[in-house]
Amino acid sequence: SAVISQKPSRDICQRGTSLTIQCQVDSQVTMMFWYRQQPGQSLTLIATANQGSEATYESGFVIDKFPISRPNLTFSTLTVSNMSPEDSSIYLCSVAAWDSYNEQFFGPGTRLTVL
Amino acid sequence: GNSVTQMEGPVTLSEEAFLTINCTYTATGYPSLFWYVQYPGEGLQLLLKATKADDKGSNKGFEATYRKETTSFHLEKGSVQVSDSAVYFCALSPIQGAQKLVFGQGTRLTINP
Repeated sequence: SAVISQKPSRDICQRGTSLTIQCQVDSQVTMMFWYRQQPGQSLTLIATANQGSEATYESGFVIDKFPISRPNLTFSTLTVSNMSPEDSSIYLCSVAAWDSYNEQFFGPGTRLTVL
Repeated sequence: GNSVTQMEGPVTLSEEAFLTINCTYTATGYPSLFWYVQYPGEGLQLLLKATKADDKGSNKGFEATYRKETTSFHLEKGSVQVSDSAVYFCALSPIQGAQKLVFGQGTRLTINP
């Protein structure tokens, strides 16, 4: 398994501002993922981040709103840009298990509230 | 498309009761199926998985069997404990190796002593 940490664990932000969320893994991983969990809802995949290439975004999510960086094999950031109250969610990063191609381990999440 | 439908929650049971949380799926091909659990204030943890038809995943007293004929992956436990109180998510990975997870809406389970 992998140990994943996220910073910040929670934040309250004003509309129109941006927040960058960090995800750190204790081992090198090829694929990292960013999910959004809106209040009372399930998880929705935002994008897949591979080191050394542009992130791949899912339908309904765009790079201008959710830019992602993946500078190395243990770290990624997700920025939520020009925030509105609709962006209030829990944002989770996950990584693919090295020995099970379709199993994922999740970080504790970042709880974002936009006023 | 690919989708997962879970039993509506919340579910409240007494300790030692039998638990079933229903999960059905729609997918092309032969997906892998998962149950994840989210304890209060924590991230998601993989509870169990099954990668082909008739496989049974099991962990911590929980079981789920991959039923291709009914496209189901129901979660069961014979005797629940207060510590099982959490939100449970059924999920699928559409194609072997694709790594994208599609989640159900989650079921909040509360166990009373």
